[in-house]
Amino acid sequence: GAVVSQHPSRVICKSGTSVKIECRSLDFQATTMFWYRQFPKKSLMLMATSNEGSKATYEQGVEKDKFLINHASLTLSTLTVTSAHPEDSSFYICSAILLAGGADTQYFGPGTRLTVL
Amino acid sequence: QKEVEQDPGPLSVPEGAIVSLNCTYSNSAFQYFMWYRQYSRKGPELLMYTYSSGNKEDGRFTAQVDKSSKYISLFIRDSQPSDSATYLCATNAGGTSYGKLTFGQGTILTVHP
Repeated sequence: GAVVSQHPSRVICKSGTSVKIECRSLDFQATTMFWYRQFPKKSLMLMATSNEGSKATYEQGVEKDKFLINHASLTLSTLTVTSAHPEDSSFYICSAILLAGGADTQYFGPGTRLTVL
Repeated sequence: QKEVEQDPGPLSVPEGAIVSLNCTYSNSAFQYFMWYRQYSRKGPELLMYTYSSGNKEDGRFTAQVDKSSKYISLFIRDSQPSDSATYLCATNAGGTSYGKLTFGQGTILTVHP
């Protein structure tokens, strides 16, 4: 099946630094990708919709200046957590939609564990 | 009130048992209902989805939706230790089974030999 990868799988950083997370659709093109955040034992919460070639759409309560999203190509979306703080520590998961003429499917990446010290 | 409520468990069953996982939702606009399985430290993978009310079966898995009571269920027959994971229900008000999904909290399931 289609594969969505994320890099890095795990990152530890100091408070105040910025961290970039990559999401790639490996064998298909995705005009739309989504970024979710998942706290321990909590559900996935949609952060934003990433659209290739245009600005991302952020969900209510998500700071767009803190979580910068760039969807520069049909196979790559990046999420940059700027000036990270311990409360940003979470599991970040992206997903991409494979459009296949009626058999459209949303695939999720393996996630990136961010720990801010 | 959360849009999708799911009992987080944990739920522990012996191998071979029938497992019942449930969610309730509040938004009557939801049309598509999905079940995802998530292994520890991995992303969710789609098990199956149902449109509107009714049942859908796929192997040992059966999904049920009752829109009148806003209740969705996943049944796992002959459960196996490899079924041990977190199961997430998800819904979508859009006209597809994908997109801006609203997830339940997830139920942690352990199937012990």
